[in-house]
Amino acid sequence: GDSVTQMEGPVTLSEEAFLTINCTYTATGYPSLFWYVQYPGEGLQLLLKATKADDKGSNKGFEATYRKETTSFHLEKGSVQVSDSAVYFCALKNTGFQKLVFGTGTRLLVSP
Amino acid sequence: NAGVTQTPKFRVLKTGQSMTLLCAQDMNHEYMYWYRQDPGMGLRLIHYSVGEGTTAKGEVPDGYNVSRLKKQNFLLGLESAAPSQTSVYFCASSYSQTGGSGELFFGEGSRLTVL
Repeated sequence: GDSVTQMEGPVTLSEEAFLTINCTYTATGYPSLFWYVQYPGEGLQLLLKATKADDKGSNKGFEATYRKETTSFHLEKGSVQVSDSAVYFCALKNTGFQKLVFGTGTRLLVSP
Repeated sequence: NAGVTQTPKFRVLKTGQSMTLLCAQDMNHEYMYWYRQDPGMGLRLIHYSVGEGTTAKGEVPDGYNVSRLKKQNFLLGLESAAPSQTSVYFCASSYSQTGGSGELFFGEGSRLTVL
């Protein structure tokens, strides 16, 4: 079945450092890919998405490119802030299916 | 803008007790979902609904029941709570998915502890 694999955390960075959180997927067909973010004490919210190969999703300085050849959707940000501290979930939705499949989440901790 | 509202936010139960979590959405979404979140396991789908009066099993349905009597509400029931059901529960909703993007809108979560 479909699955998503994320790098284990926590990822600990200093403010203004470069961020990469790796995400790879296994799926038949042509899934849509998502990054969701969960701030402390809150529910998940959509950060960005890409619906086809080579699409780049971006929001709030975060970017991720849908790479079909490597089945990856890595999340990047050029300069993280303390306020970016959260748990980040990679997810996919396959064509014709109504459900999202989530990765296990990666906790990001940014220190001043 | 209420979005997706879950009640209660916190609950402590004793083993064998029953309870119901209520999810309400005001976005006229067709699809609703119940997930549980456990450390190191991410989000796992318990049950979902593709419309009023319908329900379906997800990955981890055992020990839970659901009902969708009204389009805006999705109830999750635990008939006889067990310590393994200690978790944070999230409700989510989405538009009809035919050609849709798949974005889910989440509630703030309900933390359940079973002693």
